[in-house]
Amino acid sequence: GENVEQHPSTLSVQEGDSAVIKCTYSDSASNYFPWYKQELGKRPQLIIDIRSNVGEKKDQRIAVTLNKTAKHFSLHITETQPEDSAVYFCAAKPTSGYALNFGKGTSLLVTP
Amino acid sequence: DAGVIQSPRHEVTEMGQEVTLRCKPISGHNSLFWYRQTMMRGLELLIYFNNNVPIDDSGMPEDRFSAKMPNASFSTLKIQPSEPRDSAVYFCASNRESSYNEQFFGPGTRLTVL
Repeated sequence: GENVEQHPSTLSVQEGDSAVIKCTYSDSASNYFPWYKQELGKRPQLIIDIRSNVGEKKDQRIAVTLNKTAKHFSLHITETQPEDSAVYFCAAKPTSGYALNFGKGTSLLVTP
Repeated sequence: DAGVIQSPRHEVTEMGQEVTLRCKPISGHNSLFWYRQTMMRGLELLIYFNNNVPIDDSGMPEDRFSAKMPNASFSTLKIQPSEPRDSAVYFCASNRESSYNEQFFGPGTRLTVL
């Protein structure tokens, strides 16, 4: 089945700096790659997603890039703020079915 | 819309007891997912349903775990008998049948088995 690796597991940046989280997937047929943000004690919530026919997508301070050849995708957060502190999960969806395979998560800490 | 509803929000039980977690998906959503989250293993998919039918239960850890979806608005995840290693946060999520639709998560049930 699909295997999603996520790095780093923890990331600490200063407010205003950029943060990058990287994921790789194993199933070349995967076609949908969402990113979820989970604040402490809360539920995961979708922040951005990308489909396999697109190389990059931006939404204000966040962007996601996808390299299908290398089978990896990344989340970029610019001008980080303390409220960006959370655990971020990447996921990949195989072509068949509707389930997502999640990475292990990255705990991002933005210090003032 | 109230979003995905889960109950109870917290459950503390003793080893050997039966535990039943409940989920009400968003109205109109026809796919429902049960996840377990722990520090060690992250977010694991246990089982998912499409149109009330279990599609993939390969993530269910053992026979002590069972899930049902008797209708489009209700699902249960049962653990019998419960063990301390079952302690985790259990999330239910739902979405509309599509390859690209966002999964909406419920608030989760924090289960502690003593």
